[in-house]
Amino acid sequence: KAGVTQTPRYLIKTRGQQVTLSCSPISGHRSVSWYQQTPGQGLQFLFEYFSETQRNKGNFPGRFSGRQFSNSRSEMNVSTLELGDSALYLCASSPGWNTEAFFGQGTRLTVV
Amino acid sequence: DQQVKQNSPSLSVQEGRISILNCDYTNSMFDYFLWYKKYPAEGPTFLISISSIKDKNEDGRFTVFLNKSAKHLSLHIVPSQPGDSAVYFCAARGGTSGTYKYIFGTGTRLKVLA
Repeated sequence: KAGVTQTPRYLIKTRGQQVTLSCSPISGHRSVSWYQQTPGQGLQFLFEYFSETQRNKGNFPGRFSGRQFSNSRSEMNVSTLELGDSALYLCASSPGWNTEAFFGQGTRLTVV
Repeated sequence: DQQVKQNSPSLSVQEGRISILNCDYTNSMFDYFLWYKKYPAEGPTFLISISSIKDKNEDGRFTVFLNKSAKHLSLHIVPSQPGDSAVYFCAARGGTSGTYKYIFGTGTRLKVLA
């Protein structure tokens, strides 16, 4: 069974630009969550989608948004990029109930 | 406000000895706790979990202990192996069915010395 796939693996953008990250969950998993990892901050929860609906949202500004498609694939968008958005963005999928989440390898975003 | 805290950013242990990683939380409503291991350039991988109705869960060399009164959990690795060197994150589940979310600590970097 294929794992969680995130694309691209690495990305360099300039301030003010916008970026879209993609996540393909494990087949059959309907829940996709997004996390931001920065040094010293651990994994900060961004949002979670289940069956195309956002079920949960973390404390991030509105520049961070996401969506989920009918095939459970998810995208995360960050608009008006700031230097502080440089981080590893991780996507995790799960069947959707009381189970651990399986993470992808992440997308390393660098904003210059 | 960090609801899940891992106060030790790093830990070094000799191969064969016990590694103890600690995690504290503030929200008594958390009902499920997990430990993840992360190698560089890889996503976190699930290690072991424990429900709040238990105080211990064991899986091979890994044991997680939960002290609800102290709002503290710990991961014991016995015996420690060089391949265990990684960053370990604890996570707590909050919310209600259908709106769960996981809150992670900042991680502890474990180095097992050969």
